[in-house]
Amino acid sequence: DGGITQSPKYLFRKEGQNVTLSCEQNLNHDAMYWYRQDPGQGLRLIYYSQIVNDFQKGDIAEGYSVSREKKESFPLTVTSAQKNPTAFYLCASSTITGDSNQPQHFGDGTRLSIL
Amino acid sequence: GENVEQHPSTLSVQEGDSAVIKCTYSDSASNYFPWYKQELGKGPQLIIDIRSNVGEKKDQRIAVTLNKTAKHFSLHITETQPEDSAVYFCAANGYGQNFVFGPGTRLSVLP
Repeated sequence: DGGITQSPKYLFRKEGQNVTLSCEQNLNHDAMYWYRQDPGQGLRLIYYSQIVNDFQKGDIAEGYSVSREKKESFPLTVTSAQKNPTAFYLCASSTITGDSNQPQHFGDGTRLSIL
Repeated sequence: GENVEQHPSTLSVQEGDSAVIKCTYSDSASNYFPWYKQELGKGPQLIIDIRSNVGEKKDQRIAVTLNKTAKHFSLHITETQPEDSAVYFCAANGYGQNFVFGPGTRLSVLP
């Protein structure tokens, strides 16, 4: 089945440690996104990428980094500079068709907690 | 930039009743409005969307209405069932291919 796979489902980070969240899609979508979701809040955009080897900062990029070496993959690294990383992280992807927006399709998320 | 507000934050209805969730947006240039359903521990799933060239769209028990003049759009769920219980998010397209999401509505359908 086509879809977006995020791993791991649960992740624990120690103080001063960088951790990387995986996101893979087999939908042949050009664009990929990372969101952060805190309890009772909406989704906030961290980073997005519309093409391989290019990505843009979203609204809350500080303390995070990404790479887009392959169309199918968009890993997110939560660095030690992110002082409040505990959250539910969601990856999404979408097609790009001219100037009309297309819906984003989401993975099932990674829950990151601090030890 | 775009700002999306969503009301109510929580909603409880009896099984079989209707549920309505309302969203407002600020950017008159927004022209695409998807709705997502998120179950516990899962990612959001698209349930219906509407573009600005139509005023209403239906899909079985779910409908969305759009008022471009007032800059608001609403999700209507009829004949609610327990499996409709979830958090619902509205969104509006912002800059580029990105979206701005509302804060969500937790819907509980009571048997």
